Amino acid sequence: GQNIDQPTEMTATEGAIVQINCTYQTSGFNGLFWYQQHAGEAPTFLSYNVLDGLEEKGRFSSFLSRSKGYSYLLLKELQMKDSASYLCAVRDLRAAGNKLTFGGGTRVLVKP
Amino acid sequence: DAGITQSPRHKVTETGTPVTLRCHQTENHRYMYWYRQDPGHGLRLIHYSYGVKDTDKGEVSDGYSVSRSKTEDFLLTLESATSSQTSVYFCAIQGEGPGNTIYFGEGSWLTVV
Repeated sequence: GQNIDQPTEMTATEGAIVQINCTYQTSGFNGLFWYQQHAGEAPTFLSYNVLDGLEEKGRFSSFLSRSKGYSYLLLKELQMKDSASYLCAVRDLRAAGNKLTFGGGTRVLVKP
Repeated sequence: DAGITQSPRHKVTETGTPVTLRCHQTENHRYMYWYRQDPGHGLRLIHYSYGVKDTDKGEVSDGYSVSRSKTEDFLLTLESATSSQTSVYFCAIQGEGPGNTIYFGEGSWLTVV
């Protein structure tokens, strides 16, 4: 099976940077995904990594190290609207149905 | 917008009653999923479908059944609802985004009393 760990909660100040770490264990890694989920809403796709390195998309960047089973999501120039939960998810080559397995999510609170 | 509609969006039901949640998609995606989300557990896969009449179990399938008689509709049924099935249920599809991204519907909030 897969084991995906991420911190439960983080607090940061508006305008600052926050890094959300995700570690995973899987026998057939086939991609890592980050989602954003505001309270009471559905998760929305943020980023995808399948090769090692950094993917930058505006204020959000995602990094992957396959050898370490490690990823992080970097949120820069934090805004109040970035207060949300951030979900790390992994796809395993051997998982039927191309399904994603999710971590428990990290709740980020942005303070003024 | 992945063209996913869930119904009902909110439902309160009594223990022991059957409940069916519907997921409708408009873009002919092959893979569809039902997840539930609970505090402390994150998103967990209940069942998934890889085509009409082709379904399989996820990690938390006990007490749930599914059906897919048409490409566009994926139904989740709680045969006899229990309080432990109070949860938020998300339908999802596998789209054509990066890495064949999974996109979620808006969710169905179910309370079993």
